[in-house]
Amino acid sequence: GQQLNQSPQSMFIQEGEDVSMNCTSSSIFNTWLWYKQDPGEGPVLLIALYKAGELTSNGRLTAQFGITRKDSFLNISASIPSDVGIYFCAGQTQGGSEKLVFGKGTKLTVNP
Amino acid sequence: ETGVTQTPRHLVMGMTNKKSLKCEQHLGHNAMYWYKQSAKKPLELMFVYNFKEQTENNSVPSRFSPECPNSSHLFLHLHTLQPEDSALYLCASSHEAGLINEQYFGPGTRLTVT
Repeated sequence: GQQLNQSPQSMFIQEGEDVSMNCTSSSIFNTWLWYKQDPGEGPVLLIALYKAGELTSNGRLTAQFGITRKDSFLNISASIPSDVGIYFCAGQTQGGSEKLVFGKGTKLTVNP
Repeated sequence: ETGVTQTPRHLVMGMTNKKSLKCEQHLGHNAMYWYKQSAKKPLELMFVYNFKEQTENNSVPSRFSPECPNSSHLFLHLHTLQPEDSALYLCASSHEAGLINEQYFGPGTRLTVT
């Protein structure tokens, strides 16, 4: 079945540093989504990407839909302690099926 | 505060017990979903309901039985579970099933099967 390879699995950074994580797949996706999950909570949508090459920002977060439609990355600039959590990518295939394919997540730790 | 609530937040049950998880959404959505989140594994879609009708069963074992009495409520009935069923069970909703990319998640129920 379809799989998303998300990397890195975990990151330990200092406050103020920039962060980059990405998702790749052998399949083509029509939509890329990035979620953040805080401990004890459900995932919350951060950014949605709908077009190949699209670059979208949400505050300090920037995400891009890869031109091949098989990858996406998320950047966080000037990290702060509340950025701690698990970040997930998810892709939706062409045809708008009811399923999303999720990555395994990147666990981010920010040291003050 | 999220518009999707789940109860209980934590549940410990034995393999012979029967229990139910409840999800309620206050967003006026028509589609609801159950996901399973296990450690170091991607979120797994279990069931999809659209306008109270089940539209997706992702090869889920019959010891998990969903129920959707109306568009605002979703239940997951559990019986004779196995230890490997221990996980975080997440409920989500969206305006309709075709808009899965606009779904909102609840906080989840942490289930431990002993």
